[in-house]
Amino acid sequence: GAGVSQSPSNKVTEKGKDVELRCDPISGHTALYWYRQSLGQGLEFLIYFQGNSAPDKSGLPSDRFSAERTGGSVSTLTIQRTQQEDSAVYLCASSLAPRQGPSYEQYFGPGTRLTVT
Amino acid sequence: AQSVSQHNHHVILSEAASLELGCNYSYGGTVNLFWYVQYPGQHLQLLLKYFSGDPLVKGIKGFEAEFIKSKFSFNLRKPSVQWSDTAEYFCAVNRLNTGNQFYFGTGTSLTVIP
Repeated sequence: GAGVSQSPSNKVTEKGKDVELRCDPISGHTALYWYRQSLGQGLEFLIYFQGNSAPDKSGLPSDRFSAERTGGSVSTLTIQRTQQEDSAVYLCASSLAPRQGPSYEQYFGPGTRLTVT
Repeated sequence: AQSVSQHNHHVILSEAASLELGCNYSYGGTVNLFWYVQYPGQHLQLLLKYFSGDPLVKGIKGFEAEFIKSKFSFNLRKPSVQWSDTAEYFCAVNRLNTGNQFYFGTGTSLTVIP
């Protein structure tokens, strides 16, 4: 596709339910990032994938959060037993890896707005 | 703690005024620097970036930024803002020696009054 896509665009869930958020990166982008954007908090780094592996999981806020990436493409962010404080916009971005050129940059998707009631 | 700091949280300017948004970071080593913009209802998009070379970089829509290594700063500037520049601006740092992580500031909301 032309850009990074995310689904769903909006998700309302009840506290305690599990949710899955999906990200389709730009074809050929080996790096994929998940961020959380809360009102007044800027972008909080969650996890980064290089290919299918995640060298850095340090940003995941708790063990209720997990992510996977298969086939070096689509990624899924899963939040188990959602809490109200999980309400935020979850952004995905993709980029070329540094070794693929010095001019890489992140391309962002439209985000998934998660509301936990 | 290491971080990216944007000291201006909300800036209000009249059209034609000059703009400077501050960005400071506390990471050592080799970094790449970015400014991203998020217009109302739109995706985050790249405004400009610095990798190496001339520390004064020019981006889209008349924006520029200057990398001052000794001050760990990468301030964004525009000589004359327009109403259409109303947006949220984010500074970001990419640390190559940590495996390609990106760290973002908390953002600066710019409102330009016609």
